[in-house]
Formats: sequence, structure tokens, C-alpha cells
Amino acid sequence: DAGVTQSPTHLIKTRGQHVTLRCSPISGHKSVSWYQQVLGQGPQFIFQYYEKEERGRGNFPDRFSARQFPNYSSELNVNALLLGDSALYLCASSLSPQGLNEKLFFGSGTQLSVL
Amino acid sequence: DQQVKQNSPSLSVQEGRISILNCDYTNSMFDYFLWYKKYPAEGPTFLISISSIKDKNEDGRFTVFLNKSAKHLSLHIVPSQPGDSAVYFCAASENQFYFGTGTSLTVIP
Repeated sequence: DAGVTQSPTHLIKTRGQHVTLRCSPISGHKSVSWYQQVLGQGPQFIFQYYEKEERGRGNFPDRFSARQFPNYSSELNVNALLLGDSALYLCASSLSPQGLNEKLFFGSGTQLSVL
Repeated sequence: DQQVKQNSPSLSVQEGRISILNCDYTNSMFDYFLWYKKYPAEGPTFLISISSIKDKNEDGRFTVFLNKSAKHLSLHIVPSQPGDSAVYFCAASENQFYFGTGTSLTVIP
């Protein structure tokens, strides 16, 4: 069975540009969450979507947005990129929403570099 | 404000010995705790979890201990193997997951 897949694996952008990251969850999983991992830190929660609705949002500016499609795949969009947005962006899926004592399954991430 | 802390950035252990990784948290509302393992260029992989109603959970060589009064979580790996060398993250859940900063474990053959 395919795990969580993310694309692209690596991306280089310049300040002010926009980026779209994509994620396909494990088959049957309806919840997708996005995390940002800066070098030397643990993953930080950005968004959670369940059944195409936003279920939670972390402490990130409005430049960050996301959506979930009818097939449960998801996109993370970041506008007006800043140097500080350089990080590994991780997508995780689960059967149920977070908060129901259920583990997350992570993809390999998209490494974003903003120059 | 870091709600989950791993105060040891790195740990080295001889093969066959016990590895003990520690994690502290501040939010008493956390009800579910997990450990993830991460290799370079890969996403975190689930290792073991524990509910707040338990104080110990064991899975093969891995045991997680939870001390709610001390708000402390630990992962024991016995015996440690070179393939266990990775970064270990603890995480705690209250509607969303909060991760620690990770401990890099090196198991020396």
C-alpha cells in the first residue's frame, strides 16, 4: 500500500513568490495535516483538514492557506514567501481528526528553500 | 512557547546497552503521547504511543513510560542496535500534536 506521498520533494523559490505543495494521504485516510519543520526544531502544526473542512490552524500568518479535495488530497499554499519560510514541509494523514488518540502517518516532506 | 521539550539534543550509546530518551511537557491537558523516529531525507515514522490513563506501554525493544505528576515521558530502547541511530521526537496531543525539538541517538557498534 502506498504511504503518504508529497510533491515536489525539493523546491527553490525567491522572496515574494508563491508556492503550492501537494499531498496525497494513505488510501482510506480522511484527515490531512500540514507541519513545518525548521532545521534543528521539531515539526510545528500549520493546518488540519478533515472531510474537506478546516479543523485546526496553528500560529501561522494568513500567507499560509490550504485546502482538501474530494479525493482527500490536499494543497498547502504560501504567498509572499519570506526567507524564514525555508523549511521542510511535512504532510501527515490519519483516519480520524487529531485529538482522537490516533497516530499520524507522515510523508517524506517537501524541502523548500527561499532565496 | 515550547510545550514539549527534549533537553538532550544528542545521545551516544554502545550497541547492546539501554538508550533512554527523555521528554518533558507543560500542558496537563495532553492526553496522548507518541514517539517518532526520523532518518535523514525521510518523514517521521511512528514508533510507540501511550494514553494518559496508562503509565507504561511496551512494544518489543521499545518501552514508553509516562509520569503525569512530573509531566515527564521517557523512551527506553533495550538492547540498542546500530539501526536505531536516528533523531527521535516526542509528541503530545490535545486537539493537535505538539512536537519536541528531537534527540539525535547514535548507537556505536
